[in-house]
Amino acid sequence: SQQGEEDPQALSIQEGENATMNCSYKTSINNLQWYRQNSGRGLVHLILIRSNEREKHSGRLRVTLDTSKKSSSLLITASRAADTASYFCAFDAGGTSYGKLTFGQGTILTVHP
Amino acid sequence: NAGVTQTPKFQVLKTGQSMTLQCAQDMNHEYMSWYRQDPGMGLRLIHYSVGAGITDQGEVPNGYNVSRSTTEDFPLRLLSAAPSQTSVYFCASSKQNIQYFGAGTRLSVL
Repeated sequence: SQQGEEDPQALSIQEGENATMNCSYKTSINNLQWYRQNSGRGLVHLILIRSNEREKHSGRLRVTLDTSKKSSSLLITASRAADTASYFCAFDAGGTSYGKLTFGQGTILTVHP
Repeated sequence: NAGVTQTPKFQVLKTGQSMTLQCAQDMNHEYMSWYRQDPGMGLRLIHYSVGAGITDQGEVPNGYNVSRSTTEDFPLRLLSAAPSQTSVYFCASSKQNIQYFGAGTRLSVL
């Protein structure tokens, strides 16, 4: 399987703390994305980082990409109870896989008020 | 603006029955895909389409058929349901690599 690996599988923090989730993959990629899934809902796109970028910000989200280590991290700063959700990384391996995303198994984030 | 619409939201089937999961998008996206989500497995790609009349297999295509006669619609057919197909199914359309997901269909096969 080409699935990405995410860790931790579950993360429990207090409101106001930062949350960091990590994703590793095995192939060369065109880009890597992070998605969020609230319980019982579909996935929602959060942020995309291209293979030639090292860091990207969007509001309280910060994503890093290290293509030499084939890894990415998602940092959520000053977390809120509403951030409670599952977070998935997904990567586009390019080539004949262009446009097809491979998803990691996800990190379940619980933010306690 | 509806985005990606999946029907039904819930379905219970008996082993051997067939059914079609519907997916429609109103964003004029060429790329559409079907995933299944199982606990601890993330999302796995079943079939995808890069445009009307063009479909291809993903990671777990066995037991499923698709067709794409229009840009808007991408139905997924279960030919003969098996308990192993109990899962949550998501349809997505894509533009510039970003995927837009429907709310999902929760399927149980008894």
